[in-house]
Amino acid sequence: DAKTTQPNSMESNEEEPVHLPCNHSTISGTDYIHWYRQLPSQGPEYVIHGLTSNVNNRMASLAIAEDRKSSTLILHRATLRDAAVYYCILRDKVQGAQKLVFGQGTRLTINP
Amino acid sequence: DAGVIQSPRHEVTEMGQEVTLRCKPISGHDYLFWYRQTMMRGLELLIYFNNNVPIDDSGMPEDRFSAKMPNASFSTLKIQPSEPRDSAVYFCASTTHTQGNQPQHFGDGTRLSIL
Repeated sequence: DAKTTQPNSMESNEEEPVHLPCNHSTISGTDYIHWYRQLPSQGPEYVIHGLTSNVNNRMASLAIAEDRKSSTLILHRATLRDAAVYYCILRDKVQGAQKLVFGQGTRLTINP
Repeated sequence: DAGVIQSPRHEVTEMGQEVTLRCKPISGHDYLFWYRQTMMRGLELLIYFNNNVPIDDSGMPEDRFSAKMPNASFSTLKIQPSEPRDSAVYFCASTTHTQGNQPQHFGDGTRLSIL
């Protein structure tokens, strides 16, 4: 599986936007970019995914660089409940790589 | 909708005892995954099933670990005999036929402590 690189931790303030970066310079043309998050004492939770175009859903937005070697998860207005570890994961579309390979993720702290 | 259900939520047992973790996937999902999370190794996949058949068990640490899926609505992960280094949070997840873009749905995990 292609690797991703994320900062170990980030901090932001409540009600401000948060931009979580992810580098994936070895991404292949068939890799989807997935984001999951894990709140304290819970299992990971799907956030969003994309292939080439930017994506929006009720939880977040995903901005994908034109060369697809990096992406950014955007939380438009962070709340205290967004404090979690965020994982950026690549999944092969063609091979249907079933397993999720989790890195260390980014631990996001939200200050009141 | 009921999500992935795991039991027990917490398990404390002594070294050498048999431990059985249980998982009920989301109805209609044909893939089931077992993950383990520790501080040292993070989240790692142990094994996954498709239509009740084990597909990839390369993550199972050793012969003390075994997993079964007797039907589409139930799976077990068994450790026998258990050791203190097996202490971790074990997650079960399920998804439907995946082409790389179907999310996995995780349970709340079983926190296992082996004394």
